Amino acid sequence: QVRLVEWGGAVVQPGRSLRLSCAASGFTLGTNAMHWVRQAPGKGLEWVAATSYDGSSESYADSVRGRFTISRDNSKNTVSLQMNSLRRDDTAVYYCVRGLGSWYGLNPFDSWGQGTVVTVSS
Amino acid sequence: EIVMTQSPGTLSMSPGERAALSCRAGQNIKKNLAWYQQKRGQAPRLLIYGASTRATGIPARFSGSGSGTDFTLTISGLQSEDFALYYCQQYNSWPLTFGQGTRVEIK
Repeated sequence: QVRLVEWGGAVVQPGRSLRLSCAASGFTLGTNAMHWVRQAPGKGLEWVAATSYDGSSESYADSVRGRFTISRDNSKNTVSLQMNSLRRDDTAVYYCVRGLGSWYGLNPFDSWGQGTVVTVSS
Repeated sequence: EIVMTQSPGTLSMSPGERAALSCRAGQNIKKNLAWYQQKRGQAPRLLIYGASTRATGIPARFSGSGSGTDFTLTISGLQSEDFALYYCQQYNSWPLTFGQGTRVEIK
């Protein structure tokens, strides 16, 4: 079955960088857009970034554009999120998510990882 | 950005009752609307996409309706495992956006 496993979450100081990774299994990664969605403590869901099925296009939420970069390696079945210039309001559980349907990311999300926790604090 | 507004914030229901959750989009999103269920400490689960298509494995008591700007998730005959948080999401245009959620709690 489809499985998404994230890792890389940590406690990090404001202004520092962190890289999250997601290993995909149970499906052919190169046939789906992939996303990162986050959830701050006690808050709702916020879409963060998307990469098209082949990595040729990316989209970002305004809150992270210019600081975060999403990437994928279909040959290694991995998706990553490079987070630079982290701020306290980036503190959240980050979910790796598979898009359903459109190859370019205008998707509902049909599979979710268990999430990895990022805490930005001095 | 398309703002998604869910109502009510909390729905107090008894098992067996029918629950209707509302989601309104700030502009026309056609039928590009999904619903998710989230239980405490768990990742969300896709229930409905295309406004009315049940995702794989979702029981028939969950149904979705609407198009354009007004959408409804109906749970017919609430079961104990249905008391949870529910989110709607639009995928008509960037950025993808979620509603703030409706909590369905036991009365």
